[in-house]
Amino acid sequence: QQPVQSPQAVILREGEDAVINCSSSKALYSVHWYRQKHGEAPVFLMILLKGGEQKGHEKISASFNEKKQQSSLYLTASQLSYSGTYFCGTAGSGTYKYIFGTGTRLKVLA
Amino acid sequence: DAGVIQSPRHEVTEMGQEVTLRCKPISGHNSLFWYRQTMMRGLELLIYFNNNVPIDDSGMPEDRFSAKMPNASFSTLKIQPSEPRDSAVYFCASRAGGVGTDTQYFGPGTRLTVL
Repeated sequence: QQPVQSPQAVILREGEDAVINCSSSKALYSVHWYRQKHGEAPVFLMILLKGGEQKGHEKISASFNEKKQQSSLYLTASQLSYSGTYFCGTAGSGTYKYIFGTGTRLKVLA
Repeated sequence: DAGVIQSPRHEVTEMGQEVTLRCKPISGHNSLFWYRQTMMRGLELLIYFNNNVPIDDSGMPEDRFSAKMPNASFSTLKIQPSEPRDSAVYFCASRAGGVGTDTQYFGPGTRLTVL
C-alpha cells in the first residue's frame, strides 16, 4: 500500500533538472509532497488534489495524474538548498490519513 | 505560531525502561498524528486522533505502545517496556482540516535510542 517513489536516489549538479515520481496502487484523492533535510522534520512543499491544476512553488512544481494514480515532482535549475529526501504522501477519497512513500534522496553538487 | 512542539528531542534509555514522548500540536488543529521513522521502514503512521479521540491505532506495533490525548493541546506516546528495536525518530504532526485541504505540520521529532 505504500506509494513507490522513483528514483530512489539522484545526484545533480547545480542548475540541472530532476523529476521524482510517486506511484500508488490505489485510487488517489490528494497528494502531498515534503522535503526532509538530514536530522530535521519533513517540511511541506505542496498539495495536489484530484481534478486540480498543476501546482508550483518557485522552481519546484508538481503534477497529478489521476488515471495513472501517480504524481510527479519537478525541480528545475536545482540549487544546493534542494538537497534532501523527498517524500510523497498519498490519500484516497474518504480517508483521513496520508501514507508516505519510500522517499527519494536528492543531492545537489556545486 | 510556535509550530508543533515535541519533547524531549533526544532520549536514550535502557531496554525495559518506560519512555514517554510528548507533543503539543498547533493551536486550533483538530487532527494529531504520531509517526515513526526508521531507515528500514520509512515514515510509518502509528496513531491518529481527531478532536482528541483516537480514530485509528492500527499502526501501533504492539501492546507495549500506547497513546493518549487528554486535551486539544497535549498528547503522549508511551512505550513500556522499551526494546532496542524501538529505536527510531518519532514525529508528531497536526492538521487543521481534512485530507484534501490542509497542510500537515510536523514537529521536530524525538530521537529515541534504546540500549
